Amino acid sequence: AQTVTQSQPEMSVQEAETVTLSCTYDTSESDYYLFWYKQPPSRQMILVIRQEAYKQQNATENRFSVNFQKAAKSFSLKISDSQLGDAAMYFCAYKGNTPLVFGKGTRLSVIA
Amino acid sequence: DAEITQSPRHKITETGRQVTLACHQTWNHNNMFWYRQDLGHGLRLIHYSYGVQDTNKGEVSDGYSVSRSNTEDLPLTLESAASSQTSVYFCASSDYQGTDTQYFGPGTRLTVL
Repeated sequence: AQTVTQSQPEMSVQEAETVTLSCTYDTSESDYYLFWYKQPPSRQMILVIRQEAYKQQNATENRFSVNFQKAAKSFSLKISDSQLGDAAMYFCAYKGNTPLVFGKGTRLSVIA
Repeated sequence: DAEITQSPRHKITETGRQVTLACHQTWNHNNMFWYRQDLGHGLRLIHYSYGVQDTNKGEVSDGYSVSRSNTEDLPLTLESAASSQTSVYFCASSDYQGTDTQYFGPGTRLTVL
């Protein structure tokens, strides 16, 4: 079964600085998708970014980008110019032939 | 705009009672999912459906059931609520085509006393 590991339960970043959240996964599949979801205090799950495994180019969405290393099975999220509104739980998720598998999350604090 | 809604948003019930949580989506998605979220566990899959009359068990399905009679709805039933089922429950939906990105409802906080 696929597993997703987020090794950093908590992280903090100064406002306007850059932070990287780590995610590794275990799979024997060759075709799959990877996602980062954000969960602010409102509890709503919000899609941040998505990566298709067959694409070599790293996905970017404004201040959010990923470093996808397929051979290493690593999928980290970089947040640039951090803002107070970025404070949230961040979940990494894997989607192959079975439904989404989530990591346990990283709680990000942003310090003004 | 298309959306996915859950009701109720908060529910308090007693041990042994049957409880049904509603999930309704207007995306016209084929796939629907139920997750529970607990501290230290992230989101864990309870049941899912890939279309009308289709249901499948997830990682933590014991004590829960679902039925899919139309595209829009996937109600989650707790047959006999237990304190261990106190949690936040999320419904999600996705289209089987493309990237299969899941869109989530706002969640239901369930407390079993």
